Amino acid sequence: GAGVSQSPRYKVAKRGQDVALRCDPISGHVSLFWYQQALGQGPEFLTYFQNEAQLDKSGLPSDRFFAERPEGSVSTLKIQRTQQEDSAVYLCASSRDRENTEAFFGQGTRLTVV
Amino acid sequence: SQELEQSPQSLIVQEGKNLTINCTSSKTLYGLYWYKQKYGEGLIFLMMLQKGGEEKSHEKITAKLDEKKQQSSLHITASQPSHAGIYLCGADKGIYGKLTFGQGTILTVHP
Repeated sequence: GAGVSQSPRYKVAKRGQDVALRCDPISGHVSLFWYQQALGQGPEFLTYFQNEAQLDKSGLPSDRFFAERPEGSVSTLKIQRTQQEDSAVYLCASSRDRENTEAFFGQGTRLTVV
Repeated sequence: SQELEQSPQSLIVQEGKNLTINCTSSKTLYGLYWYKQKYGEGLIFLMMLQKGGEEKSHEKITAKLDEKKQQSSLHITASQPSHAGIYLCGADKGIYGKLTFGQGTILTVHP
């Protein structure tokens, strides 16, 4: 596709449920980022992939959060045993390479944990 | 604590008015990005600034980075309802494009 695609757009999960959020980056983009955006706040960095390698996961808030990009394209962010504080918009972004190039963002997945 | 502070947090203007949004960093910026976000949507890239004193314009939006590379401003001339949204500044830490964002400025433009 022409842009970064995320699915689902909206997800409601019961507390304790596991969820998986998908990101399809722009074809050929080497770098992929996940951000978490709480209501009324700016996005906060979660993790970074260069191709299939997860080079930085310093922003993942707990070991319940796990991300993968096994073939260097599609990425999945998994949250186990969801908690109410996990409710946020999860944004995926990709850029052409590891240098300082424009990052293209997806529409985000709005996760609500009830 | 926030590394980037945006001001104001929200802004309401009448159509046709000029406005400025500021972004201040506690550290020298390697690069500064401006994004626009509509509620419930992703971020749309506006401009990137890297050099001290740099200024870029696109249509009615102008962004500047000061000489010390610690403060940036976004100026909109003759605002229109289409300019409404959340404006976010993001600091590039010089590490593979990882960004730290400000809290955002909510802009409302009344017709």
